[in-house]
Amino acid sequence: GAVVSQHPSWVICKSGTSVKIECRSLDFQATTMFWYRQFPKQSLMLMATSNEGSKATYEQGVEKDKFLINHASLTLSTLTVTSAHPEDSSFYICSALLEEQYFGPGTRLTVT
Amino acid sequence: GENVEQHPSTLSVQEGDSAVIKCTYSDSASNYFPWYKQELGKGPQLIIDIRSNVGEKKDQRIAVTLNKTAKHFSLHITETQPEDSAVYFCAASRTSNTGKLIFGQGTTLQVKP
Repeated sequence: GAVVSQHPSWVICKSGTSVKIECRSLDFQATTMFWYRQFPKQSLMLMATSNEGSKATYEQGVEKDKFLINHASLTLSTLTVTSAHPEDSSFYICSALLEEQYFGPGTRLTVT
Repeated sequence: GENVEQHPSTLSVQEGDSAVIKCTYSDSASNYFPWYKQELGKGPQLIIDIRSNVGEKKDQRIAVTLNKTAKHFSLHITETQPEDSAVYFCAASRTSNTGKLIFGQGTTLQVKP
């Protein structure tokens, strides 16, 4: 149990376009989900905390207008990277909170 | 601010040997300390965790120790196997059920057959 999925697993987009990443809790409901960013060979950095039915809480230094988070249901949170640039290329990982955080498999974003 | 330091950054051991990874945290209010294993291109998977009211916890070949006074916690893997090769992250949190994990920098463990 406690499975979290992400879609897509990888995506390539052109600079200036937007891309949406989905995070789903498959067998449980999660009021709270988290979005992390991980650069190659580096640690996970928390970007924002997503709460169902309310606005996300962003960590210091994360642009809320660039990384749009929507948590419209208890099983789905989405991260939209708007006007993507090559420096946004990264591995994006979500997690869903039950009694602990359960992590998704990640989404590799490459912006060309 | 809150910080978790993890050492070593890389660790290479022979199959069957033990591996130890150490972390130090700065937030004295931290009371939940999970360890994650991350394989290439995948998300982290929880392998063991410990709470502040416990000094040691063991699960088969994996054990974690916590020294709250020194703000240290360590992961011990015994009888290592090649499939243990991965990146391991420690993390600290004020509580497990409200989130906000602060991660260490990660340790790349290589187990040589």
